[in-house]
Amino acid sequence: DAKTTQPTSMDCAEGRAANLPCNHSTISGNEYVYWYRQIHSQGPQYIIHGLKNNETNEMASLIITEDRKSSTLILPHATLRDTAVYYCIVRVPGNTPLVFGKGTRLSVIA
Amino acid sequence: GAVVSQHPSRVICKSGTSVKIECRSLDFQATTMFWYRQFPKKSLMLMATSNEGSKATYEQGVEKDKFLINHASLTLSTLTVTSAHPEDSSFYICSARVSGASTEAFFGQGTRLTVV
Repeated sequence: DAKTTQPTSMDCAEGRAANLPCNHSTISGNEYVYWYRQIHSQGPQYIIHGLKNNETNEMASLIITEDRKSSTLILPHATLRDTAVYYCIVRVPGNTPLVFGKGTRLSVIA
Repeated sequence: GAVVSQHPSRVICKSGTSVKIECRSLDFQATTMFWYRQFPKKSLMLMATSNEGSKATYEQGVEKDKFLINHASLTLSTLTVTSAHPEDSSFYICSARVSGASTEAFFGQGTRLTVV
């Protein structure tokens, strides 16, 4: 799996959009971008994934650059419950395990 | 989404004893499940891949005789920490993916193991 680079931590004001960047400059053509988050003392939670088109679901939006070397996860209206570590992972879909990097610790502040 | 249930959520055991952690896929079949461990303020580290009806595949540095994995059915995988020591204290997490589908993985809620 290609490696990703994420900022160690970020702060966001409650109610504002949280934009979490991820660099994956060595991504290959058949690798998808996945985002998971882990709230303290819980298992990771799937958020969203995409290949090259922007994606949106009830939790977040995923913006992937045209060259696919970076992406941004957007939480449109962050709440205190969105405080978590967010992991960006690139991989080929299949029955292989997710490999987690260090992620970004997002703190949503009231 | 699909539900993965892990039990127990928290366990304290004495050094030298064994502890079994269960991971169940509640509403789907999972041919393959994955086991991770996580130390405080660290990321998840893959320990092993559990395959239904066959032997687990362990990551380098993980002792297969210490961390026994059994995947006896399409909905249950167990991790047994044998002869536990305080350094085995950690957060253990399982993950499963729907059989035959290249979809996202689902995770259990984790098990906090404390060995005293």
